[in-house]
Amino acid sequence: AQSVTQPDIHITVSEGASLELRCNYSYGATPYLFWYVQSPGQGLQLLLKYFSGDTLVQGIKGFEAEFKRSQSSFNLRKPSVHWSDAAEYFCAVAQITGGGNKLTFGTGTQLKVEL
Amino acid sequence: SAVISQKPSRDICQRGTSLTIQCQVDSQVTMMFWYRQQPGQSLTLIATANQGSEATYESGFVIDKFPISRPNLTFSTLTVSNMSPEDSSIYLCSVAADSNQPQHFGDGTRLSIL
Repeated sequence: AQSVTQPDIHITVSEGASLELRCNYSYGATPYLFWYVQSPGQGLQLLLKYFSGDTLVQGIKGFEAEFKRSQSSFNLRKPSVHWSDAAEYFCAVAQITGGGNKLTFGTGTQLKVEL
Repeated sequence: SAVISQKPSRDICQRGTSLTIQCQVDSQVTMMFWYRQQPGQSLTLIATANQGSEATYESGFVIDKFPISRPNLTFSTLTVSNMSPEDSSIYLCSVAADSNQPQHFGDGTRLSIL
């Protein structure tokens, strides 16, 4: 069965500092990988996705992520964090079957930004 | 991406009652899903809503407790039946244009049971 691990429950960074959120996955085949962000009181917004091809993917809001098959990782990065980036971030892996598209989520990383 | 509307956005309900949550999409989509997010937790898939047929439930979720309807390609409902305080959660609808496209989420329904 597929699984996702986000080792960091909470991370605090200063505004303007760089950010890296870790994500490790377990999946038998080539994974479809995603990062979502959830702001307080909101649903989930898709930041970026990896399906195939270039292992460095660009997303919205200045985020990027790198797929490393050898490390089973899909870490999310941003060179300079803004106060508005404070939110919860979820990594997810999709099991794509003929009849469906099932997402398994990690436990999330809560990001706090210090001004 | 599709605009997804969920109603109600929040509710406070009495123990033993039922609540139906609606999910409306502004375009036809192949895939619709329902998730539960318990307080401080990640998301867990409840079921895949299938158009014109019974939903496909994940382990630990049953139709009697979470009946789902999907009459067409733009609308689905989830009912939380015979509610108890343990059902207090955020319930989220998501959609995907097809099985090879990413899922997009509604804003969720925040449900509290007294």
